[in-house]
Amino acid sequence: GAVVSQHPSWVICKSGTSVKIECRSLDFQATTMFWYRQFPKQSLMLMATSNEGSKATYEQGVEKDKFLINHASLTLSTLTVTSAHPEDSSFYICSAGPQEGNIQYFGAGTRLSVL
Amino acid sequence: AQKITQTQPGMFVQEKEAVTLDCTYDTSDPSYGLFWYKQPSSGEMIFLIYQGSYDQQNATEGRYSLNFQKARKSANLVISASQLGDSAMYFCAISGTGANSKLTFGKGITLSVRP
Repeated sequence: GAVVSQHPSWVICKSGTSVKIECRSLDFQATTMFWYRQFPKQSLMLMATSNEGSKATYEQGVEKDKFLINHASLTLSTLTVTSAHPEDSSFYICSAGPQEGNIQYFGAGTRLSVL
Repeated sequence: AQKITQTQPGMFVQEKEAVTLDCTYDTSDPSYGLFWYKQPSSGEMIFLIYQGSYDQQNATEGRYSLNFQKARKSANLVISASQLGDSAMYFCAISGTGANSKLTFGKGITLSVRP
């Protein structure tokens, strides 16, 4: 299957700082990538759809100024959690799929802990 | 709108036995895709199997098969010859059939394989 790389896998930061998470498609081009958030023992919640060369589409209730998404190339999307607070601590995971297929492949996820 | 329902509590299976994980869905789309993903404790989401709504035959991938019953709107995952490494959270998901359509996930089922 296609490979999606996500970095970093774990980050601890102080409250008020910003954290950037990268999602890369390694062996295919992805015009669309998806960002999810997952709380312990719960399902994945779609945060936003990242579109290459255009603005991201955010799900209802997700603050776009809080979670900045940039999709500058066909292989890279970034999620920046701005002015992070303890309630932003969570597991963030991205996905992407080859343009000709329906299957989404996921990165390994990023565990964010805000102190 | 699309919806996935996974209502089983934690499932237990003896090593080498088969297990069925239930999934029902609801959608107004005439064409859709159904997916199963595995999430071990490490957090990564591993794609297991895909079934298109117009596929005549049930999908199979190694020890995984999808029991697709369109009239009942069910897409159960069957794992044959369970292994200890199958212990994980399993998510059923649905999407439209356009390339890079977003996924809607169920709540997930925890599977524990006993030696």
